Amino acid sequence: EVHLVESGGGLVQPGGSLRLSCAASGFTFSNFWMHWVRQVPGKGLVWVSRINSDGIATTYADSVKGRFIISRDNVKRTLYLQMNNLRAEDTAVYFCASPRGFSGYTIDYWGQGTLVTVSS
Amino acid sequence: DIQMTQSPSSLSASVGDRVTITCRASRNIRSDLNWFQQRPGEAPKVLIYTTSNLESGVPSRFSGSGSGTDFTLTISSLQPEDFSTYFCQQSHLTPLTFGQGTKVEMK
Repeated sequence: EVHLVESGGGLVQPGGSLRLSCAASGFTFSNFWMHWVRQVPGKGLVWVSRINSDGIATTYADSVKGRFIISRDNVKRTLYLQMNNLRAEDTAVYFCASPRGFSGYTIDYWGQGTLVTVSS
Repeated sequence: DIQMTQSPSSLSASVGDRVTITCRASRNIRSDLNWFQQRPGEAPKVLIYTTSNLESGVPSRFSGSGSGTDFTLTISSLQPEDFSTYFCQQSHLTPLTFGQGTKVEMK
């Protein structure tokens, strides 16, 4: 069974940085694309970024491009999101997610999320 | 970006009702459409993938249909555990995009 556990969220001031982690188990992590998706509590879901299986190819939403960096460690089976120059509008629950197959476009399984609050 | 428009944004229904939620894409996404259920405080859970494929363990009262730009999620007989929020998502192009959600409430 796919199991994804996010960590690293918290309160940070505008302009600050935070690194999120997502520990994966239950599947061959190194074979699959991975994604970050965020959600303002009570609002809709917004895709943030994706990374391919070997970590070479990355894609970002325009709203985070140049500020966020997605990466992975396939030995540690962990996905990361380095968030820099944070803004109030980045406040959200951040989910890591994985696909059932080898497509870089599908999202099927989700972690429970970690809350990031950007506020002074 | 591909815009996903869900309707209705909310609905009131009773146990046993047939419920239909629609999702329209701003361009042709073939059958690259997924449906998720999200309960308060929980992560989304996939119900239907690639338009009409039922996720393992999901009750058969859930079904999906459509192609191109217009898609439908149907719950044939609403059960108490189905009162929740439902999202569609296109998996055709990045940025991956979601519908705004449909909250199914008890009448």
